[in-house]
Amino acid sequence: RKEVEQDPGPFNVPEGATVAFNCTYSNSASQSFFWYRQDCRKEPKLLMSVYSSGNEDGRFTAQLNRASQYISLLIRDSKLSDSATYLCVVNIGGSQGNLIFGKGTKLSVKP
Amino acid sequence: DAGVIQSPRHEVTEMGQEVTLRCKPISGHDYLFWYRQTMMRGLELLIYFNNNVPIDDSGMPEDRFSAKMPNASFSTLKIQPSEPRDSAVYFCASSFDGVGFYNEQFFGPGTRLTVL
Repeated sequence: RKEVEQDPGPFNVPEGATVAFNCTYSNSASQSFFWYRQDCRKEPKLLMSVYSSGNEDGRFTAQLNRASQYISLLIRDSKLSDSATYLCVVNIGGSQGNLIFGKGTKLSVKP
Repeated sequence: DAGVIQSPRHEVTEMGQEVTLRCKPISGHDYLFWYRQTMMRGLELLIYFNNNVPIDDSGMPEDRFSAKMPNASFSTLKIQPSEPRDSAVYFCASSFDGVGFYNEQFFGPGTRLTVL
């Protein structure tokens, strides 16, 4: 089983739609969780951290379910500019260097 | 703030040649990471440094790969000899040593390496 698994997509949605991505992780000792965004031929950038209580940043909501070992990202009112690949990232603990990246879910928002 | 700087941005070389990738982390950051990204394997950590000291190089594919960080503002990743399967995008990232495990990693623009 891979350490961090994501549906690769692509998710093709119209502008204004709500879309959700899920990610599962295998290491129950994982310490912290993130969503990174990567535009085509660009570097990954932090979108948001994911906290146990769930957190929201504008149109983006992240949830963590430790019991089931999955993380979700919800995007409301999708914009064309949301088109990108979304990487689920898990720190498996021990040090900052123990980040495991999922392969990403590709989102394409159409007019 | 200039962000993480990498050079070159693109490198095309022939099999057997030595390749050197360079990285300048964000000033004040304590951690520096080297990643490799391919379609097949995604983003993989190769090695990381804390205060210029290599902490974990278990991701380095084989002895052909080596990395150094002679000072806080410069690191290199060297491949010698290069092989076609080394073709990938190589990212350098840095982060600040804050409290806990929620420290953001800032990535450079990457070096796109093609080995013919």
